[in-house]
Formats: sequence, C-alpha cells, structure tokens
Amino acid sequence: QQQVKQSPQSLIVQKGGIPIINCAYENTAFDYFPWYQQFPGKGPALLIAIRPDVSEKKEGRFTISFNKSAKQFSLHIMDSQPGDSATYFCAASPVWGKLQFGAGTQVVVTP
Amino acid sequence: DAGVTQSPTHLIKTRGQQVTLRCSPKSGHDTVSWYQQALGQGPQFIFQYYEEEERQRGNFPDRFSGHQFPNYSSELNVNALLLGDSALYLCASSLARDANQPQHFGDGTRLSIL
Repeated sequence: QQQVKQSPQSLIVQKGGIPIINCAYENTAFDYFPWYQQFPGKGPALLIAIRPDVSEKKEGRFTISFNKSAKQFSLHIMDSQPGDSATYFCAASPVWGKLQFGAGTQVVVTP
Repeated sequence: DAGVTQSPTHLIKTRGQQVTLRCSPKSGHDTVSWYQQALGQGPQFIFQYYEEEERQRGNFPDRFSGHQFPNYSSELNVNALLLGDSALYLCASSLARDANQPQHFGDGTRLSIL
C-alpha cells in the first residue's frame, strides 16, 4: 500500500512555465517531507524539504506548499528551464523513520 | 567533500546466485539506508544501519541482508536471486543526530537478473 500518492505521472511545460506536482499522505505521524530530483542514470538528489509547522518554503526556483489539514503538499518549479527536465519524487517520513516515496512525476520542459 | 559512492555500477547475475553491493557514505555521515528502485517507480526502503546494527527494516524478505562496518561503510547482500530482484539499488547516508535525517543518495548499482 503506497503511503504517499503523487500526481500527475508526467507533465510537459514550455520554458518559463510552472510545473506543479502534488502529493497526498494519510499517516499523521509523518513529520518530514522532502522532494528529490532524479536524472536518468543518477541517484535522487535532495532538492528541498519542509516540516508540517511551515506552510511554504522557497529555495531558488523551487517552492513547497504544505497543507497540514488536507494532508497534501506540492512542488512548484518557477521559471522552468529545459535543464529541469527530470523525474521528481515526493517523500515523507516520521521522526527517525524510514522515507516513503511517491511513484514519481516525469517533467519535460520544452525550449 | 566526497558524496555517497556505490560499487559496482552495473552487475549481471543469474537466478539463484547471490550478490553483494557496497556503499561508502558521505563524509561525516554515520547512518546508511538501502533502497530498491524498480524501473519507473519510486525507491522502496529495504533497511537502515546505524552503529553496525540494523535499525529499521522495510517489507523485504530475509534473502536481503546487510552489514555496516566500523568506518560506516555498508554492504547489501541478496541471496537466491529472483528475476524480480532486477532493479536499481540505492544507498543513502545521513547523520543519526539529525532527527529529520536528510538523506543523500549515491548513483546506485543497476542489478540485472537473467
């Protein structure tokens, strides 16, 4: 049973657009919500992470929005570039717990 | 600052064989976690090692076992290989004292079972 549901499975945006990836969870014990970026042939790279006491966090062109009551969180990629084309994974874990990953979203940014 | 390194990068085995994969954590990290990533899916947690002991385990059979050495490096062993074990095996390291454990991943070992 997948504890973190991620959507969409894939999306295509033009350069400068804002891809938005959504994730939902059920386990209220989850306390840490990272996002990872993975390029073909590489391991996942930590992009940005948030805790439930914060509703939004920005790092460069990446923004996480977090809605604790709805148990949902999302990643926005501002001013997307072709180099952002990759697979993005949301994840969640309780304190000291194991990371549970979503199924991934393949993002393609066209020139 | 060396990141997480894994070896080998690729491996081909046949059903029934056993395999050992190796991982060196990021400098300064003391905790190692292993994940299995099937094609087109997210990583699935196998187990985590800290202070040379298995601290947590995911939903994987006993055919999957591991070890952590005093220098924090780690091995993943898989016995009686099945076709379904074909996947990318990822190692991630973190610092135990950080409760949120930001995990840093290596580039993985691609294991193919024939």
